[in-house]
Amino acid sequence: SQQGEEDPQALSIQEGENATMNCSYKTSINNLQWYRQNSGRGLVHLILIRSNEREKHSGRLRVTLDTSKKSSSLLITASRAADTASYFCATPPRGLIFGTGTRLQVFP
Amino acid sequence: SAVISQKPSRDICQRGTSLTIQCQVDSQVTMMFWYRQQPGQSLTLIATANQGSEATYESGFVIDKFPISRPNLTFSTLTVSNLSPEDSSIYLCSVRQGGTDTQYFGPGTRLTVL
Repeated sequence: SQQGEEDPQALSIQEGENATMNCSYKTSINNLQWYRQNSGRGLVHLILIRSNEREKHSGRLRVTLDTSKKSSSLLITASRAADTASYFCATPPRGLIFGTGTRLQVFP
Repeated sequence: SAVISQKPSRDICQRGTSLTIQCQVDSQVTMMFWYRQQPGQSLTLIATANQGSEATYESGFVIDKFPISRPNLTFSTLTVSNLSPEDSSIYLCSVRQGGTDTQYFGPGTRLTVL
């Protein structure tokens, strides 16, 4: 079963715009991770945020975590065509339980 | 980060047969997992591969259908048995190293069942 749900399911933007994806999860967590999957390829780990963190940055990525609402958001700033991919949030406890994913399309 | 390889990268199999997928890691890891990604879907955790003991399966997955071995800290196999077209998916191996929470994924094995 899916732990999380991503919102929106699909997102189309122009290069240079910002993309925001949201993730909601069901159970208590000690961390939440975001992954990117290019079409037909493996998963790339983007960022991990711990339950005692509220915000984390990595390059053009900004992740927030609200444990009271059991939600997280991923912001990609100044998007590029190469950011076109599916994005998933995932949470422990055992192996990661993945959300449903957001398909991002960035047009040049 | 760990470097993970999977064999085969893809295969086409006949209904009723079995496919064994190998996962090799370039360093010893604490945890190894197997996932399934059905076409157009997210990833679903199949099981945790335990070294030296039986795997821990998630709800909806059973050992008879998905036998798993993990003879050491760098290697695991997943067998998908008695194949049907519904088993057509990408199967991914994932690892987590001791002392960290980050999980890394192999490139996946794309299985097509005819």
